[in-house]
Amino acid sequence: EAQVTQNPRYLITVTGKKLTVTCSQNMNHEYMSWYRQDPGLGLRQIYYSMNVEVTDKGDVPEGYKVSRKEKRNFPLILESPSPNQTSLYFCASSPLPGAQETQYFGPGTRLLVL
Amino acid sequence: AQTVTQSQPEMSVQEAETVTLSCTYDTSENNYYLFWYKQPPSRQMILVIRQEAYKQQNATENRFSVNFQKAAKSFSLKISDSQLGDTAMYFCALVDTDKLIFGTGTRLQVFP
Repeated sequence: EAQVTQNPRYLITVTGKKLTVTCSQNMNHEYMSWYRQDPGLGLRQIYYSMNVEVTDKGDVPEGYKVSRKEKRNFPLILESPSPNQTSLYFCASSPLPGAQETQYFGPGTRLLVL
Repeated sequence: AQTVTQSQPEMSVQEAETVTLSCTYDTSENNYYLFWYKQPPSRQMILVIRQEAYKQQNATENRFSVNFQKAAKSFSLKISDSQLGDTAMYFCALVDTDKLIFGTGTRLQVFP
């Protein structure tokens, strides 16, 4: 089944404890991205990747890191999480190297930072 | 900077009726792409409809259609024959070069 998977789905952590949220797609898509969703703010793009080893900042990259060593994987790293990073996170992918095509979203990861 | 504005935080409609959700945007590009995404209570993000700005014809997908007014930078979504399963958050989105800009969303409740 064609899909985008994220792990974990739920995570509670404490301030400063490094964490990684994994994202994987099995559709051979070029473009992958991360978003955070907060009440009243909609979805905001954190980072995106046009292809392997090519990543760029979205609108809210502070406090996050990403890597794209393989086409299928695009992990999101929070080196020192803070409470303001408590949010719902979505990974997405699309076929072409750009955002003009339909984004296929993962199921979301709810993160709580205490 | 490109922006997307959804001025209706919440809307409600009775089953089988028609409802229109508003979206306005700002961009300096001449060719761009617009989307409506639906987020039901399951939180899964689902594409509803996609519009390419250079196409004059309004996109349609079954009961969903858009009214794309390029000069006015308006991109509203019309849902006909509303169903209980249409209850969801709806997000309008604009492609800004390689990035996707979302509006703040409209929560739609469909009543029996």
